[in-house]
Amino acid sequence: QQQVKQSPQSLIVQKGGISIINCAYENTAFDYFPWYQQFPGKGPALLIAIRPDVSEKKEGRFTISFNKSAKQFSLHIMDSQPGDSATYFCAATVLNAGNMLTFGGGTRLMVKP
Amino acid sequence: DTAVSQTPKYLVTQMGNDKSIKCEQNLGHDTMYWYKQDSKKFLKIMFSYNNKELIINETVPNRFSPKSPDKAHLNLHINSLELGDSAVYFCASSQGAGGSYGYTFGSGTRLTVV
Repeated sequence: QQQVKQSPQSLIVQKGGISIINCAYENTAFDYFPWYQQFPGKGPALLIAIRPDVSEKKEGRFTISFNKSAKQFSLHIMDSQPGDSATYFCAATVLNAGNMLTFGGGTRLMVKP
Repeated sequence: DTAVSQTPKYLVTQMGNDKSIKCEQNLGHDTMYWYKQDSKKFLKIMFSYNNKELIINETVPNRFSPKSPDKAHLNLHINSLELGDSAVYFCASSQGAGGSYGYTFGSGTRLTVV
């Protein structure tokens, strides 16, 4: 059972455009939703994270939008740059229960110059 | 001063062999993990371990076993390797469940079974 579903699998965006990646989850107990960025040959690295008590969190060009009632959250990358080309993973967990992160299937983003 | 280091980076071996991947973290974290990333980039949790508890993903074959000589190390042993074990294996660490600082991942070990 895939608890976190991510779409699209791949995404091509022109430089300066907005990249949008969506995730949906099933477990209503999840209370922490991070996004990880992975470059080829490297391990995933934490990009930005949100708790369900807020609907949006912004850090620089990266914004997470969270819809608790719909059990969905998304990553928006504004003014996308070629250096943003990477694989992005959403994830979810129940923090206080000590659960492990469950990752979505990943989105390969390519930003064309 | 690498935070989470794995060795080797590449491992090519024959079916049926037994191999180990080493992982060390110098962050002082209390929890370590092993993840498997398949050819489609899907990240699957294999184990979570701190000094109190080992949590095993029930879908992981018992040919895989984690061994932790101390808090900073979590090695992965694989017995009787199969073709389907070919993947990239990532070690990670966190303080508690990860919280605000998330997981810190190593650079991965690409295992190829021939």
